[in-house]
Amino acid sequence: DAGITQSPRHKVTETGTPVTLRCHQTENHRYMYWYRQDPGHGLRLIHYSYGVKDTDKGEVSDGYSVSRSKTEDFLLTLESATSSQTSVYFCATCGGGGLNTEAFFGQGTRLTVV
Amino acid sequence: AQTVTQSQPEMSVQEAETVTLSCTYDTSESDYYLFWYKQPPSRQMILVIRQEAYKQQNATENRFSVNFQKAAKSFSLKISDSQLGDAAMYFCAYRSVMDSNYQLIWGAGTKLIIKP
Repeated sequence: DAGITQSPRHKVTETGTPVTLRCHQTENHRYMYWYRQDPGHGLRLIHYSYGVKDTDKGEVSDGYSVSRSKTEDFLLTLESATSSQTSVYFCATCGGGGLNTEAFFGQGTRLTVV
Repeated sequence: AQTVTQSQPEMSVQEAETVTLSCTYDTSESDYYLFWYKQPPSRQMILVIRQEAYKQQNATENRFSVNFQKAAKSFSLKISDSQLGDAAMYFCAYRSVMDSNYQLIWGAGTKLIIKP
């Protein structure tokens, strides 16, 4: 299994507080992604990174920011958490190469904003 | 923009029987990649099978096979001899050959229930 670790695995936070989720990989993969998973929506891309300090927005980026200061770490920050950001968050990585290459996923973080 | 549609929110099948999960997609591209991922209750996302659009032959992985109909933009997953461990959410995903960042576009998922 690819070494992708998300922390924390579960978190409950209050509306208006900042929250940071961490994704750590040991695969030296260039590409990293943050998704949120909600019933009926599948996985929706929040932000992604194509290298150290190189990031870009996905389809649901409002209210989120990311940083990647090292190849192995990709942080997702909710600047001021809202109830609509209650979700399961997944980090994924991809090593590039052939376009049929698979993406590898962390175990997910269940975030509840109360 | 490409879209992926899974029209069956939930499917059920008797253990040992065969079930087919549907996936359709919309694209103007002629070359692309399609994937099926499985998400069991553990939440871990696991690649089940992948298909390259330029290959006419349907991909097969043990009990899992696809029916890829390029003209119809359909990519269904057939699970033969269903087992209790197959119970999971199944997601269909699309990757464009034009995307240098290897992004995946996902369907909403189908929950597969296996009846013992």
